[in-house]
Amino acid sequence: NAGVMQNPRHLVRRRGQEARLRCSPMKGHSHVYWYRQLPEEGLKFMVYLQKENIIDESGMPKERFSAEFPKEGPSILRIQQVVRGDSAAYFCASSQQQGAGADTQYFGPGTRLTVL
Amino acid sequence: SQQGEEDPQALSIQEGENATMNCSYKTSINNLQWYRQNSGRGLVHLILIRSNEREKHSGRLRVTLDTSKKSSSLLITASRAADTASYFCATASGDSWGKLQFGAGTQVVVTP
Repeated sequence: NAGVMQNPRHLVRRRGQEARLRCSPMKGHSHVYWYRQLPEEGLKFMVYLQKENIIDESGMPKERFSAEFPKEGPSILRIQQVVRGDSAAYFCASSQQQGAGADTQYFGPGTRLTVL
Repeated sequence: SQQGEEDPQALSIQEGENATMNCSYKTSINNLQWYRQNSGRGLVHLILIRSNEREKHSGRLRVTLDTSKKSSSLLITASRAADTASYFCATASGDSWGKLQFGAGTQVVVTP
């Protein structure tokens, strides 16, 4: 059973470009979470999605950031018109739909975004 | 402000010694989870302890939870060089159980 997959692992963008980060949850998981980690800091929650629904986006910046988890395919975190302050590691996690262990979140390896 | 805060910020020990780190939080929780992160890598889930549990074990790991003091501890016994990593606690609270709130972590260095 493959773990949470994220790609790309490293992404370099120039200011003003768009960044698209992809996350494929573990098999059997229908809950996806995105977190951002700045250097030397803990992770900060961004958004929680189920298939085709945003459940909690309280950690998402109001502008330039969006997330989706379509019926088919991976979850996408999209950052438009990137700025240097967006440089960070972005982690995706997934959890089971229900039952024992449903609240355990399993993390992917992260995407390290560098904005030049 | 962060929900979970780890103490100490950094810990340096020798192989074979025990490592203890603490986590304090502010609001009531459903569960508390401990994760490990090696430098530049993703997070590895270690243990989840629910609010009605007081202690859990997993191999060389022991986690305690004191909800009256809003604190948890992670003990690593007989540490190994491979335990060198950052350790984070994360809490899930009632009305936003899908949203984990992380502390800044404890950096543990185990020297041979």
